Amino acid sequence: NAGVTQTPKFQVLKTGQSMTLQCAQDMNHEYMSWYRQDPGMGLRLIHYSVGAGITDQGEVPNGYNVSRSTTEDFPLRLLSAAPSQTSVYFCASSQPPLVIQFFGPGTRLTVL
Amino acid sequence: AQTVTQSQPEMSVQEAETVTLSCTYDTSESDYYLFWYKQPPSRQMILVIRQEAYKQQNATENRFSVNFQKAAKSFSLKISDSQLGDAAMYFCALRLQGAQKLVFGQGTRLTINP
Repeated sequence: NAGVTQTPKFQVLKTGQSMTLQCAQDMNHEYMSWYRQDPGMGLRLIHYSVGAGITDQGEVPNGYNVSRSTTEDFPLRLLSAAPSQTSVYFCASSQPPLVIQFFGPGTRLTVL
Repeated sequence: AQTVTQSQPEMSVQEAETVTLSCTYDTSESDYYLFWYKQPPSRQMILVIRQEAYKQQNATENRFSVNFQKAAKSFSLKISDSQLGDAAMYFCALRLQGAQKLVFGQGTRLTINP
């Protein structure tokens, strides 16, 4: 049971490049979320999903796309990376009615 | 909208002593959950303790306990017998009943002095 996994652990992009951050969980959780962590600001919700085929925007969705084709996977896409997207990205999952969210190890993204 | 505020960017404590980290929050809802997460240098987010708003009794997990004051919207974390492994960033977070979103505070960096 690997829990929540994220790849890659580190990534450097140039402005305008695109990439996908991968997130997978093997706990059969319905809920999955993406957060970004910036210095002095804690974690902020980007997008979330309450089940396969269902996604919604969080607090800071601009510049990011998501999809949820399976219960296990919830990729985060940056279509045209900007320096403002330099951050640490966390994926999390949970299973209602339980309220605890399980976090992945994070991806550190730098956009030059 | 919900907000969570941690007014102490940094704290330090001597090993084996007790330290209290502060957290205040704001919500108009009555059903919610509060959490403290620990983030060591490894970056992993680790759940330390949680509190259900409908419970008056303060949650306790070994050396970690909370002081939950619902009327004051305060949720502090007390770490007793501090250990070197407690050094980390600590985040306070709020989640409404039935909601997916966790709202985090800015974090408090805790240093343990040997």
